[in-house]
Amino acid sequence: DTGVSQDPRHKITKRGQNVTFRCDPISEHNRLYWYRQTLGQGPEFLTYFQNEAQLEKSRLLSDRFSAERPKGSFSTLEIQRTEQGDSAMYLCASSLGWGGLNTEAFFGQGTRLTVV
Amino acid sequence: SQQGEEDPQALSIQEGENATMNCSYKTSINNLQWYRQNSGRGLVHLILIRSNEREKHSGRLRVTLDTSKKSSSLLITASRAADTASYFCATVGTGGGNKLTFGTGTQLKVEL
Repeated sequence: DTGVSQDPRHKITKRGQNVTFRCDPISEHNRLYWYRQTLGQGPEFLTYFQNEAQLEKSRLLSDRFSAERPKGSFSTLEIQRTEQGDSAMYLCASSLGWGGLNTEAFFGQGTRLTVV
Repeated sequence: SQQGEEDPQALSIQEGENATMNCSYKTSINNLQWYRQNSGRGLVHLILIRSNEREKHSGRLRVTLDTSKKSSSLLITASRAADTASYFCATVGTGGGNKLTFGTGTQLKVEL
């Protein structure tokens, strides 16, 4: 068990470009979450998968954002036509469970996106 | 959106002192969790307290929960320089809530 891994750790992109981030959760975890965190703030929920099904999306997840979790394993988060306001740390987390979330979530180190 | 706020926003203490952080939230919860985040890195889970629990301990950590006041506190006893980090409370809502909703965090600095 190597924990939740995210790739890349840092990404600098020009405004208008597309970017894709990858998250590999802990292997037996059926739940996967994406959060966004800006400087001095707590993480904000973006979306959540139960196995391969995307069960909830935040209003923060505009049409430019899309997330997938094919086969219920790794997940990707794509941002199209990036804007400077997309600059943030993107955090992935995974957990194991059914029904309500009654256990801890394990977070990756995050991908820091800078849009210039 | 943030579920609630932590108080204080920043706290500076000397090594060996106790640190207390408070968290207030807005809606009914299933459980409340505390996480630590070292500068610019991922979050690490510290402790989970369920809505029917009032107090929980883990090593040097003590968490209380008052659902009538919609508040929780995290006490770190005998603090160490390595405790320097941001601390966040996060809630899971009732009715089968499946996500963590984080507060704004407390930045703790423990000085030698």
